[in-house]
Amino acid sequence: GENVEQHPSTLSVQEGDSAVIKCTYSDSASNYFPWYKQELGKGPQLIIDIRSNVGEKKDQRIAVTLNKTAKHFSLHITETQPEDSAVYFCAARAPGGYSTLTFGKGTMLLVSP
Amino acid sequence: KAGVTQTPRYLIKTRGQQVTLSCSPISGHRSVSWYQQTPGQGLQFLFEYFSETQRNKGNFPGRFSGRQFSNSRSEMNVSTLELGDSALYLCASSLGRGDLNEKLFFGSGTQLSVL
Repeated sequence: GENVEQHPSTLSVQEGDSAVIKCTYSDSASNYFPWYKQELGKGPQLIIDIRSNVGEKKDQRIAVTLNKTAKHFSLHITETQPEDSAVYFCAARAPGGYSTLTFGKGTMLLVSP
Repeated sequence: KAGVTQTPRYLIKTRGQQVTLSCSPISGHRSVSWYQQTPGQGLQFLFEYFSETQRNKGNFPGRFSGRQFSNSRSEMNVSTLELGDSALYLCASSLGRGDLNEKLFFGSGTQLSVL
């Protein structure tokens, strides 16, 4: 089955800096890659996603890039703010799995004022 | 539009007991998935229900079961609880149409503690 590796496990940045979280996946047939943000005491919230036929997608301060050849995708957050502090999860969906997602282990992002 | 609703929010049980968790999906969503979240293993897929039928299943023992009702609400049951079952159980809903970029929306979860 699909396996998703996520790095780093923790990331500390100063407010205003950029943050990058990277994920690799094992199943070359995977075709959908969402990112989730989970704040303390809450469920994961979808923040951005990308399909396998797209190389990059942006939404204000966040962007995701996908390299299908290398089987990796990354989340980029620019101009970080303290409210960006949370755990971020990447995920991948392989064909035939209906809506099932395989998740990375998560990255705890800490943004210091 | 209301989000995914999970009840109860917290549960404390003892080993050997059984527990039932409930999930109400977003209105119009016909697929409900369940995930177990633990600090060591992250989010792991349990099973998915669509139109009252289980159509996908993860690698969990038979003690974990679920069902879906005609209104798309779902329940998850864990029998003969073990200490290792302590986790946050997350429910997620989606339209269930199998589109390439079908989005999954999560509830806030039920925190289960087994003593």
